[in-house]
Amino acid sequence: QVHLKESGPGLIKPSGTLSLTCTVSSGSLSNNHWWSWVRQPPGKGLEWIGEIYRGGTSNYNPSLKSRLTISVDKSNHYLLLNLTSVTAADTAVYYCARRGTYRYHMDVWGKGTTVTVSS
Amino acid sequence: SYDLTQSPSLSVSTGQTATITCSGDKLGDRWSSWYQQKPGQSPVLVIYENDKRPSGIPERFSGSNSGDTATLTISGTQALDEADYYCQAWDSFSHIVFGGGTKLTVL
Repeated sequence: QVHLKESGPGLIKPSGTLSLTCTVSSGSLSNNHWWSWVRQPPGKGLEWIGEIYRGGTSNYNPSLKSRLTISVDKSNHYLLLNLTSVTAADTAVYYCARRGTYRYHMDVWGKGTTVTVSS
Repeated sequence: SYDLTQSPSLSVSTGQTATITCSGDKLGDRWSSWYQQKPGQSPVLVIYENDKRPSGIPERFSGSNSGDTATLTISGTQALDEADYYCQAWDSFSHIVFGGGTKLTVL
C-alpha cells in the first residue's frame, strides 16, 4: 500500500509564498497516476487545489490558478506545491492524494499538513 | 462552475439506515465518489464510480447516482460511522469538485 506524507513550513506570513512537499512511500511518483493537492480550512469542507500527471500535464482550480504551481521534482520523488501571495484565507490543512489514470476518484490520501498564514 | 449540494447534517439512530444525498446538474451523467472523514483524520474513499466499494469498506456502504442526485446509503448504521461525508464529481473542464459535506451523527 502506497503512503503519502506532506511536509511544509507550518506558519507563513501574509503575502509570502507557500511551498509544500509530498513524499511517496514507494519512492517515486508513478506514471499511472495523477497526483493532487486538496485543502481544508479550519471547520470547513474540502477544496480541490489541482493535480499533475508525471509527464507534466497539470490541471488547476480556476480560483487558485493565478497563484499556483504544482510540479514534480526532477528525481520524480516529490510532489510540490507553490502558492504565492498567501492570505489568511489560505490557512488550511493541505493534503496530497493519488488518482489513477482514467479514474475519477482519489484512492490514497496523506495525513495532511497544517498551514497557518499569520503575521 | 459546477456546484454539488449536500445537506449540512443528518442524525440517525444506531441500526437505522442513513441516506446522504448530493445534488448537482445532471450529476447522474458523471462519475460520483464519496469520502468519509473522521475528526482529525484524512478523508477515506468509501464509494467510487457511483456504486463501487474499495476493498476494506464494509458492505453496509452503498451508492447510487441518477438524474441530479447521487446517494450514499449506510445500512445498519454503527457508532463508528459517525463522520463527515463528502461527495465528489467533475465539472465540464475536468476539474474536481467536492460537495460541502454532511455531518452524520449516530444517536
